[in-house]
Amino acid sequence: RKEVEQDPGPFNVPEGATVAFNCTYSNSASQSFFWYRQDCRKEPKLLMSVYSSGNEDGRFTAQLNRASQYISLLIRDSKLSDSATYLCVVGYSSASKIIFGSGTRLSIRP
Amino acid sequence: ETGVTQTPRHLVMGMTNKKSLKCEQHLGHNAMYWYKQSAKKPLELMFVYNFKEQTENNSVPSRFSPECPNSSHLFLHLHTLQPEDSALYLCASSKGQDSNQPQHFGDGTRLSIL
Repeated sequence: RKEVEQDPGPFNVPEGATVAFNCTYSNSASQSFFWYRQDCRKEPKLLMSVYSSGNEDGRFTAQLNRASQYISLLIRDSKLSDSATYLCVVGYSSASKIIFGSGTRLSIRP
Repeated sequence: ETGVTQTPRHLVMGMTNKKSLKCEQHLGHNAMYWYKQSAKKPLELMFVYNFKEQTENNSVPSRFSPECPNSSHLFLHLHTLQPEDSALYLCASSKGQDSNQPQHFGDGTRLSIL
């Protein structure tokens, strides 16, 4: 089993729709969680950190479910510019190590 | 606009060439990283430096040789590469090597081995 798993997609949704995807992690000792976005042929950029209580940044909401070992990203009122690959990142403080998921491709159509 | 700058952006080299990738960060960070990203694969961590000292080498072949002269600069020296080494090479930095610290990436160098 991979340490960090994501549905590769692609998720193809119309503009204005709400879309959500999950990321599961295998190590219960994981302590830090992030979502990055990566546009085609560009570098990953930090989208948001994920906190235990869940957090929201505009149209984006991130949640952490420690019991089931997954994090989620919800995008409301999706825009064409949201089309990208979303990378889940999980960190282990004990090993000063972070693991990137393979990413979920999202495509927003007009 | 990025605080992490990589040069060159693109590089084409033969298998017998020697070249170097350069990364510079202007964020005052202490940890720097090299990653390899091949098509349809997750990011693969190659090397980690913390306060100029190498703290991780993720079983990278010796044809890749990193150098970190100070906390702001990181190099990746390349020689006798193979076609399967063609990929996007990304540099990143973070305040510290603590996994709680998000990493900031450079634009990457797209490397093609002929």
